[in-house]
Amino acid sequence: GENVEQHPSTLSVQEGDSAVIKCTYSDSASNYFPWYKQELGKRPQLIIDIRSNVGEKKDQRIAVTLNKTAKHFSLHITETQPEDSAVYFCAASMGGGSYIPTFGRGTSLIVHP
Amino acid sequence: EAGVVQSPRYKIIEKKQPVAFWCNPISGHNTLYWYLQNLGQGPELLIRYENEEAVDDSQLPKDRFSAERLKGVDSTLKIQPAELGDSAVYLCASSLGGTQETQYFGPGTRLLVL
Repeated sequence: GENVEQHPSTLSVQEGDSAVIKCTYSDSASNYFPWYKQELGKRPQLIIDIRSNVGEKKDQRIAVTLNKTAKHFSLHITETQPEDSAVYFCAASMGGGSYIPTFGRGTSLIVHP
Repeated sequence: EAGVVQSPRYKIIEKKQPVAFWCNPISGHNTLYWYLQNLGQGPELLIRYENEEAVDDSQLPKDRFSAERLKGVDSTLKIQPAELGDSAVYLCASSLGGTQETQYFGPGTRLLVL
């Protein structure tokens, strides 16, 4: 089955800095890679996703890059704000009707004002 | 539009007792997932439903866990008997299904087994 490794487990930055979270996956058949944000005591929420036919996707301050050859993908947050503080999870899966994501262990992002 | 609803939000029971969790997915969502989330970990799939059919339950500990999704809408996850190691957050998620993979999670049920 799929195995997803996520690093770092904790990331502390100053407000305005950039933050990068990296994930690697093992199954070359995986083609859909979502990222979720989970604030303390709240539900995970999808913030951005990328498919294997795309190398990069951006949405305002958030971007995701994918390297299929190396089987890794990264979340980039620019101009971080205190409200970005949360746990971020990456996931990998085959898309479509067989969507069963395997999640990473999560990265706790702390943005200091 | 209401999101995924779960109840109860919190449950404290003694070991060996039964417990049940309920999930109401977003209207029209054919696919429903139950996940277990331990502290400091990502969600781990327990079971996935396509309408009323359980299409992936390989990670569900069937000696004590059971689930059902009658009529392909609401779902119930049951543990009987509960063990100390079952303490975790149980998350329900739903999606439209097919090529629409985006999952919408419920708030979860936090279970504490004493």
